Amino acid sequence: AQKVTQAQTEISVVEKEDVTLDCVYETRDTTYYLFWYKQPPSGELVFLIRRNSFDEQNEISGRYSWNFQKSTSSFNFTITASQVVDSAVYFCALSEAKTSYDKVIFGPGTSLSVIP
Amino acid sequence: DVKVTQSSRYLVKRTGEKVFLECVQDMDHENMFWYRQDPGLGLRLIYFSYDVKMKEKGDIPEGYSVSREKKERFSLILESASTNQTSMYLCASSFGRGTGELFFGEGSRLTVL
Repeated sequence: AQKVTQAQTEISVVEKEDVTLDCVYETRDTTYYLFWYKQPPSGELVFLIRRNSFDEQNEISGRYSWNFQKSTSSFNFTITASQVVDSAVYFCALSEAKTSYDKVIFGPGTSLSVIP
Repeated sequence: DVKVTQSSRYLVKRTGEKVFLECVQDMDHENMFWYRQDPGLGLRLIYFSYDVKMKEKGDIPEGYSVSREKKERFSLILESASTNQTSMYLCASSFGRGTGELFFGEGSRLTVL
């Protein structure tokens, strides 16, 4: 069975601090995708990144970076120099790659508050 | 830009009422999904559809049904609403190429009294 765990329910940081959101996943598939989505207060989830299981290179996009480690089944997300606009609920997610159905399993989410 | 539109942002219904939640996407996506979001539980998949008139149960289909008569429209139906169906309902769509990138609507918050 597939499962995504986000142990941090809520995190508060002061603006400009760095913050890491943890994600641990379980799957029996050898080929899968991992994702991060952001849900701002407006409610609409926004796709941030996708990684496939064969690509363990870390990725950086501006202030965002992602660390994928198959050995620990983790896909952690770091925001550098956090800003108030980063306040949102962040979801880690997993899908199997063997179908075109895009059936995505989401973790419970981490609510991030960035305090000015 | 991809647009996924949900018909109602907020609904209040009474126990036993039939409830329709409508979702329309404008990007000719193959797949459409209904999730419900509850605090501490994240998003849970109710039903999805990979083609017109095709549907598959997700993880929590009990008490729900769906309809997809046209490619752009996916409806979630609560035949007899109950208080434990009070939740935020999110519709999503995707290209259907197995990439897993979903495009979401703004959500419909349903309260069942």
